[in-house]
Formats: sequence, C-alpha cells, structure tokens
Amino acid sequence: DTAVSQTPKYLVTQMGNDKSIKCEQNLGHDTMYWYKQDSKKFLKIMFSYNNKELIINETVPNRFSPKSPDKAHLNLHINSLELGDSAVYFCASSLTQANSPLHFGNGTRLTVT
Amino acid sequence: AQTVTQSQPEMSVQEAETVTLSCTYDTSESDYYLFWYKQPPSRQMILVIRQEAYKQQNATENRFSVNFQKAAKSFSLKISDSQLGDAAMYFCAYRAETSGSRLTFGEGTQLTVNP
Repeated sequence: DTAVSQTPKYLVTQMGNDKSIKCEQNLGHDTMYWYKQDSKKFLKIMFSYNNKELIINETVPNRFSPKSPDKAHLNLHINSLELGDSAVYFCASSLTQANSPLHFGNGTRLTVT
Repeated sequence: AQTVTQSQPEMSVQEAETVTLSCTYDTSESDYYLFWYKQPPSRQMILVIRQEAYKQQNATENRFSVNFQKAAKSFSLKISDSQLGDAAMYFCAYRAETSGSRLTFGEGTQLTVNP
C-alpha cells in the first residue's frame, strides 16, 4: 500500500534514555515533516525536510535531531529523554507545492517515565 | 505569522442532523490553501476536504462542505446527515507557499455524534 509508515507505534522508556522513531513514505513526495501532538491534542510542527535539506527547524531542544538519509525517509532521534517529551509524534509527507495536502503516518505515542 | 483559530473545543450533534464547525485564520497572503482534517480515536489524521483561496466556489466532498468567506477569513465545515463514524477531533489547517509550506493547525474541535 502507498502510505506514510512510522515505527514504532508505541514507545515507553525511562528518563535519560535515547530513542529513535523511523518514518518512510512511498508516495513520491519531496517534503517530509515531524509534528508533535501534545496532551491537549494541539499539533505543532517541529521539522521539515525538502529533498533531504532541512527547511524548517522550529524552537525545538537540540536533544531532538532529525535525519533524512534520502527523500523517502525522515527519522527522529531524541537524546536524554525528559518527562515533558511524552506526546504523540507524527511523521508526514507532501509535495512542495502548498496545494498538496500532507499525508500523515499513524503516529508514535512516546511515554517517558 | 499565520494563525488558525477554532473557537469551539467541543460540539455535539444528533445522528442524521447537520453540524457546522467554525474556523478563522489570520494571514497577509493572498494565495493559500485551507484544509480540514479528521482524527478519530484511532489517531489517524485523515484529510476531509481542501479549499483553494483563489476559488470562490465552496468545496464539497459528499456529506462534507465548506463555507469559505475570504474577506472574513472564515472557513467553516458543514457535516450533513451526521453518522456515528463522524465522531472525531476535527482540525482546520492553513498552508501557503511562504513559511516553508508548513501546515499550520487550529486547536481542534471534538465532535460527538449522539445516536
């Protein structure tokens, strides 16, 4: 199936650990994103890559590091996890043009204990 | 900066009735796109409908339609003949060619459908 797939679906870990979330899209899109959805369901952009180049880097702690090995993949690595990092993280992709809707993965629920 | 506001945190509707969800936005751009996304309890983000700002005609997709008022910067979603499966969080979103083409979301409206 054509889609945006991210793994894992759930991630439970302790404070101080390092973890990664992987994302892949096979839609032929050239732009990929990471969004964070907090406990109030608000969706906020974290990063965006266009053809492997970082184009959006919001005010995110530098413990968060995105990596795009190619335009079909955008992974998110998080160092020294904190309680406040608990949230749902969504990967998305689209074409560059603004009329192209974003297609989202199913989200990764990260719980930091 | 562009902002999107959904002033109704929660709405409810009876099955088979019609409900309208409100959305307003602020922008200085003339060319942009507006979207409604649905997020059911499964957590998926599903595109419901899209509107181009340069089009005067309101978009429709089956039971879903929008009322786009460009001058008022308003973009409401109307759901007709509501079904139990329509129960979800609904997000209004804005995207323009500037700002890195990011999709900016409103706070969301939780829709309950009562049988």
